[in-house]
Amino acid sequence: EAQVTQNPRYLITVTGKKLTVTCSQNMNHEYMSWYRQDPGLGLRQIYYSMNVEVTDKGDVPEGYKVSRKEKRNFPLILESPSPNQTSLYFCASVLTSGNPGELFFGEGSRLTVL
Amino acid sequence: AQSVTQLDSHVSVSEGTPVLLRCNYSSSYSPSLFWYVQHPNKGLQLLLKYTSAATLVKGINGFEAEFKKSETSFHLTKPSAHMSDAAEYFCVVSDWSGGTSYGKLTFGQGTILTVHP
Repeated sequence: EAQVTQNPRYLITVTGKKLTVTCSQNMNHEYMSWYRQDPGLGLRQIYYSMNVEVTDKGDVPEGYKVSRKEKRNFPLILESPSPNQTSLYFCASVLTSGNPGELFFGEGSRLTVL
Repeated sequence: AQSVTQLDSHVSVSEGTPVLLRCNYSSSYSPSLFWYVQHPNKGLQLLLKYTSAATLVKGINGFEAEFKKSETSFHLTKPSAHMSDAAEYFCVVSDWSGGTSYGKLTFGQGTILTVHP
């Protein structure tokens, strides 16, 4: 089954404790991206990756890091989380060849930073 | 720069009546436009997309949208609402212009659709 898998789905942590949210897709998609969703703000792009070893900043990259060492994985790293990073995070992927295809979203990871 | 404005944060309709969710966009080139739906505690699912082909686009579950360049609008409609349509809807613009790049996506703020029995 084609899917984007995020882990963990729920996490409560404390300020300053490094954490990683993993994202994996099984569709051989080139493009992967991270978004955060906050009430009244829609989804805002954090980082995206056009392919392996190619990443770029989205609209709200501050406080986040990413890496793309393998095509299927695109982890989101919070080196020193702060309460303003409390949010619902989504990973998405898409096959970029030709027309922009359907963005496949993960189920979301709800992060609370105390 | 590109932007998207969803004109209503909440829309409430009765089951069986038409649905209209409004979206205006701003883009300095020919954009690609999308509507996504998010059911509670779920990820987003693509409803339909416009990529410079037909201006009237049909999507899943009876939804359709019309691209109007002169009005910079991409409103989502459905003739008859169903209870299962209750969800949050997002209008999205992309600066994709062909080839292998996907482009930058900008999401609207979302419209919550409530459907009453």
